[in-house]
Amino acid sequence: AQKVTQAQTEISVVEKEDVTLDCVYETRDTTYYLFWYKQPPSGELVFLIRRNSFDEQNEISGRYSWNFQKSTSSFNFTITASQVVDSAVYFCALSAIRALGWNSGGSNYKLTFGKGTLLTVNP
Amino acid sequence: DTGVSQDPRHKITKRGQNVTFRCDPISEHNRLYWYRQTLGQGPEFLTYFQNEAQLEKSRLLSDRFSAERPKGSFSTLEIQRTEQGDSAMYLCASSLEDRGPGIGSSGANVLTFGAGSRLTVL
Repeated sequence: AQKVTQAQTEISVVEKEDVTLDCVYETRDTTYYLFWYKQPPSGELVFLIRRNSFDEQNEISGRYSWNFQKSTSSFNFTITASQVVDSAVYFCALSAIRALGWNSGGSNYKLTFGKGTLLTVNP
Repeated sequence: DTGVSQDPRHKITKRGQNVTFRCDPISEHNRLYWYRQTLGQGPEFLTYFQNEAQLEKSRLLSDRFSAERPKGSFSTLEIQRTEQGDSAMYLCASSLEDRGPGIGSSGANVLTFGAGSRLTVL
């Protein structure tokens, strides 16, 4: 069974503060993908990043950075110098990569999401 | 291509009525997914199609729910005899087939979501 835990239900910061959103996952699969999605008030989930379990390199994209640590099963997301437009619900998600043929119909299609963290950035 | 489109965006119905939602995926995507999201929760997987074939259904999808993708393009999700517990946001997503992390995987298995169809059952 797969499980994603986002322990922080809500976070409130003042603009320009740095903020880290935590994500801890559980899976029996040895290979998997991890994702972060953003859901602004409009409701549409927006893809931010995908990492695979082979690659533990941290990644930076502008003000966003991700820290993947397999040893602690964590995939944390940091926003540097937060802005009001960053206010949204952020979801961490997990998808297994099945070993039985990469192009089999049953492989790596189902995302298991956490419950999300509501980030409010105040001016 | 303007992304994944869902219609209607909002639906209010009385208990016991049938409702149908439509999803138009990104045209070159061969995979289409339905998820359900209730307040304060993350999306939960319902079902998915590869082209016109429905390859898996979640246990969440009771026999009152049916999804189709007749020509491998748009999809419909029908809920018969709606119950108040069906009130939720129904999200559609599409993606390319994923051939694995090392095999042309750029962009594959990255789900692009629509804005959702919010159902309220009175």
